Amino acid sequence: AQTVTQSQPEMSVQEAETVTLSCTYDTSESDYYLFWYKQPPSRQMILVIRQEAYKQQNATENRFSVNFQKAAKSFSLKISDSQLGDAAMYFCVTTSGTYKYIFGTGTRLKVLA
Amino acid sequence: SQTIHQWPATLVQPVGSPLSLECTVEGTSNPNLYWYRQAAGRGLQLLFYSVGIGQISSEVPQNLSASRPQDRQFILSSKKLLLSDSGFYLCAWTTQGMNEQFFGPGTRLTVL
Repeated sequence: AQTVTQSQPEMSVQEAETVTLSCTYDTSESDYYLFWYKQPPSRQMILVIRQEAYKQQNATENRFSVNFQKAAKSFSLKISDSQLGDAAMYFCVTTSGTYKYIFGTGTRLKVLA
Repeated sequence: SQTIHQWPATLVQPVGSPLSLECTVEGTSNPNLYWYRQAAGRGLQLLFYSVGIGQISSEVPQNLSASRPQDRQFILSSKKLLLSDSGFYLCAWTTQGMNEQFFGPGTRLTVL
């Protein structure tokens, strides 16, 4: 069964600095998607970035970028120029089969002013 | 544009009472629909998903059930709530195919 591991329960970053959140996953599938979702205190789940496994190029969305290492099954999220509004729980997610999504346990990011 | 609604936003129910949470999606047709539960400070647990009207797949044995009476409506129910049913319930949808999920605002359920 597919699993997603986020080994950092909590991270802190100074405002304007850069932080990297780690994620590893286990899958036997050749075609899958990877996502990072953000859940602020409002608990609304917000998509941050997505990556198709067949694409070698790392996805980028403004200050957010990923380091996708397919052979190592690693999918880390880098947040540049951190802002107070980035404080949230971050979930790494992979697809499983045709319909399912597997969530990691999350990393709580604190941004220090 | 597509939107997803959940209600109620907050619910406090006694043990043994019934439950009905509703989720509706606007602006799309034939979505895949999902119900998740999230315990405080934890990840998301998939409860049910549906790929079409009347088609429900259950992921976790429990006293909850789901129904999809219309294409864009997904209902989570229980005949008798347990204390362990307390949590934050999220509904989500995707287009056919494994694209990103879009989540509703959630329902906070407290069973006393």
